[in-house]
This record gives sequence, C-alpha cells and structure tokens, in this order.
Amino acid sequence: EVQLVESGGAVIQPGGSLRLSCVASGFNFEDYTMDWVRQAPGKGLEWVSRMSWDGETTYYAESVKGRFTISRDNSENSLYLQMNSLRSEDTAFYYCVKDGGYSFEFDHWGQGTLVTVSS
Amino acid sequence: QSALTQPASVSGSPGQSITISCIGNSSDVGIYTFVSWYQHHPGKAPKLLIFGVSKRPAGVSDRFSGAKSGKTASLTISGLQAEDEATYHCGSYSTRSSWVFGGGTKLTVL
Repeated sequence: EVQLVESGGAVIQPGGSLRLSCVASGFNFEDYTMDWVRQAPGKGLEWVSRMSWDGETTYYAESVKGRFTISRDNSENSLYLQMNSLRSEDTAFYYCVKDGGYSFEFDHWGQGTLVTVSS
Repeated sequence: QSALTQPASVSGSPGQSITISCIGNSSDVGIYTFVSWYQHHPGKAPKLLIFGVSKRPAGVSDRFSGAKSGKTASLTISGLQAEDEATYHCGSYSTRSSWVFGGGTKLTVL
C-alpha cells in the first residue's frame, strides 16, 4: 500500500523559514516524479512544485519561485520542501503527492501538514 | 482565484446522477487531455478518481466517469450514494510545465 507521510508543519512568523518532509513507502520511490500541492483554508488546491525521479529537473509555481526549494533523497525515500521568506498567503495544508506516470495525474496523496504564517 | 472554474456546490438524492463542470482555457483544458479529478473527504487524503479525461484507476467505481468538450471538462457520478458526499477537484496540466486546479465543488447527498 502506498503511503505518504508529511511532517514539519508549524506556526511561523512572516519572513521565516520552514522545511517540510515527506516519507514514502509502498512503491519504488526512486522511480517516480513527486510534487507538493497546497490548499489554503477555504480555497481550492494549488500546485506548488515538482521534482523528477532523479532530482535533475524541478518546476515551481510562480507564487513560490525563488522562495521555495524542492529536494529529495532517494536513499531515504524522502521528499522535502524548503520554504523561505514565508508570507501569510503561504498558510495552507501542504500535501506530498506522487505522480501517476501516465497523464500528469497525481495518483497518491498524503494527509497533509499544516503551515500557518502569522505574527 | 483558481485557474479552473467549478461550481461551488451541487446536490442530489441517492440514486440520482450529477455532473460537475470544470471550465478552463486554451492554456490547459482546451488543448490537453491531461485532465484529472479528485475526491476529498475532510481530514483524509485526496483520492484520484479520473485521469487522462476519462480513465479510471484500478479500484475506482464505474459510477464515476469523465469527459471533455472544448475547454470544459466534466465529472459525472451516477447512482449517488451517501459516501459520495465530499469535495471534488478538477486538475489539468497547463502550458509552461505547470499544473492548475479548480476551486473545488462540494457535493451534498440529500
């Protein structure tokens, strides 16, 4: 069974930094592209970032480009999101998501970790 | 404001069918067949229902079906059941290697 478990969410002041982690199990992590998707309170889903299976290729939403960095450690079956210069609009549940490999679909999601940016 | 437009809410009675629309533009739904749908129960992980416009992953009920016409994708749920009450999100690949979602549609089973 595929499992994605996020951690690292917290209450943080504007301008602060936070690192989210996601531990994957139940599939060959090193074979799959992985993403982060977030959902602000009362809002829809927003794609945040994507990393290829080998870590060579990354993509970012314009709203986080230059502030967030995605990374992975295939030896640890782990995905990370380093978030710097946090803003109130970054407040959201952050989901670790596995790419399905067929049609850019997201076929497995974690339960999310909450990041609250507030003074 | 979300890139894709969905109705905020829909409702139906058990056994009925409902359809949720997802309106995009010529940068996403209008030019790609990479449309997917997700079911999200509160406090749980979102679940993939449909990918590639109309394909169902293994284990997803055939009561769920997807379609697309022009810039509008749609999800139809037939034979509504109480457990279908959830929020449904559409998503699409978009130009410049980005992914977009709708604002989500809350389904109430009356």
